[in-house]
Amino acid sequence: GAGVSQSPSNKVTEKGKDVELRCDPISGHTALYWYRQRLGQGLEFLIYFQGNSAPDKSGLPSDRFSAERTGESVSTLTIQRTQQEDSAVYLCASSLGRGGYYGYTFGSGTRLTVV
Amino acid sequence: AQTVTQSQPEMSVQEAETVTLSCTYDTSESDYYLFWYKQPPSRQMILVIRQEAYKQQNATENRFSVNFQKAAKSFSLKISDSQLGDAAMYFCAYLLTSGSRLTFGEGTQLTVNP
Repeated sequence: GAGVSQSPSNKVTEKGKDVELRCDPISGHTALYWYRQRLGQGLEFLIYFQGNSAPDKSGLPSDRFSAERTGESVSTLTIQRTQQEDSAVYLCASSLGRGGYYGYTFGSGTRLTVV
Repeated sequence: AQTVTQSQPEMSVQEAETVTLSCTYDTSESDYYLFWYKQPPSRQMILVIRQEAYKQQNATENRFSVNFQKAAKSFSLKISDSQLGDAAMYFCAYLLTSGSRLTFGEGTQLTVNP
């Protein structure tokens, strides 16, 4: 597609439930990133995928968070047993290479609210 | 670890005037990129301008320009002839050339007054 697509746009869930967030990157972009943005704050790195290499998971805050990506296509971020502190906007970005030279293209994010 | 600091949580400017947003960063590396991103209420992060650290010349994109002071680790954004559409949250970000993750500052909320 023309841009990075994320779904759902908004998600309200009950504490303790699992949620799955989806990111559809720009076709041909080998790199894909997930970031978390808490209200009024900057973006926190969560995870990075580059082609078929092992992902960089060093930003995942706990083992309740996991992400998958098949090849260079769609990625899903899963949060198990959601907590209120998980409430945030989750942003996905993709880039042609590692990002510095080519730049990142971001999606519009998923706003997750845990009640 | 690299850190990025934006000391102005909020700024305001009159339409058609000029405003400068501040950013400082901390790194021991010499090869990196710096970015300014704009985030309107739509939430989508939009790249405004990029600077490679090895370039001494300040980057410029139309009404947007930067003042890059490598020794001082400072990277400010100047917006000239401000327009109502410039109102947004602005984030400064750092990326190590050999790295893979952007490190963001806390953001500056810019208001443009008509």
